[in-house]
Amino acid sequence: QVQLQESGPGLVKPSETLSLTCAVSGYSISSGYYWGWIRQPPGKGLEWIGSIYHSGSTYYNPSLKSRVTISVDTSKNQFSLKLSSVTAADTAVYYCARDGGFYGDFDYWGQGTLVTVSS
Amino acid sequence: EIVLTQSPDFQSVTPKEKVTITCRASQSIGSSLHWYQQKPDQSPKLLIKYASQSISGVPSRFSGSGSGTDFTLTINSLEAEDAATYYCHQSSSLPFTFGGGTKVEIK
Repeated sequence: QVQLQESGPGLVKPSETLSLTCAVSGYSISSGYYWGWIRQPPGKGLEWIGSIYHSGSTYYNPSLKSRVTISVDTSKNQFSLKLSSVTAADTAVYYCARDGGFYGDFDYWGQGTLVTVSS
Repeated sequence: EIVLTQSPDFQSVTPKEKVTITCRASQSIGSSLHWYQQKPDQSPKLLIKYASQSISGVPSRFSGSGSGTDFTLTINSLEAEDAATYYCHQSSSLPFTFGGGTKVEIK
């Protein structure tokens, strides 16, 4: 069974960088699929942030592209998200998920982690 | 960017009733449309992929249809455990987008 688990600070100060890691178990990232990040502000809908392939190939949501970096560490079977210059508008539950890529679905999701941007 | 418009935003339904949720895309996306169920304080769960393909472990009362720009999620004979918010998602073109969600409440 594929499992994903997000980890990282739950509180980030405005203008700083949000950093999260997603540990994958039950499936080797190197075996394929893209791996993505999706967020959900409290009480609101879902927003795709970006995704990465095991080779390191990435694609990002243009609305966040200037601030987002997604990286992968196949040796640890995990991938990471960095979002710079955060504001209160970046407060959200952040999910990692296995991404089927173009035309594909998000078939496995982590439990999500709430990140609050506040001083 | 492809905009997905779901309707209705909210639906209050009696158990055993049939529920129909629609998702309209701002341009044609073929069958690259997927449905998710999200219960309170849980992560989304894949319900239907590629507009109409069932997912192992998902009850057969959930079904999907449509292609191009108009899609439908149907819940036949609603059960109390189906209280949730339902989202559609397109992966036809970047950026991948989600519909605004439809909250289904049990009367």
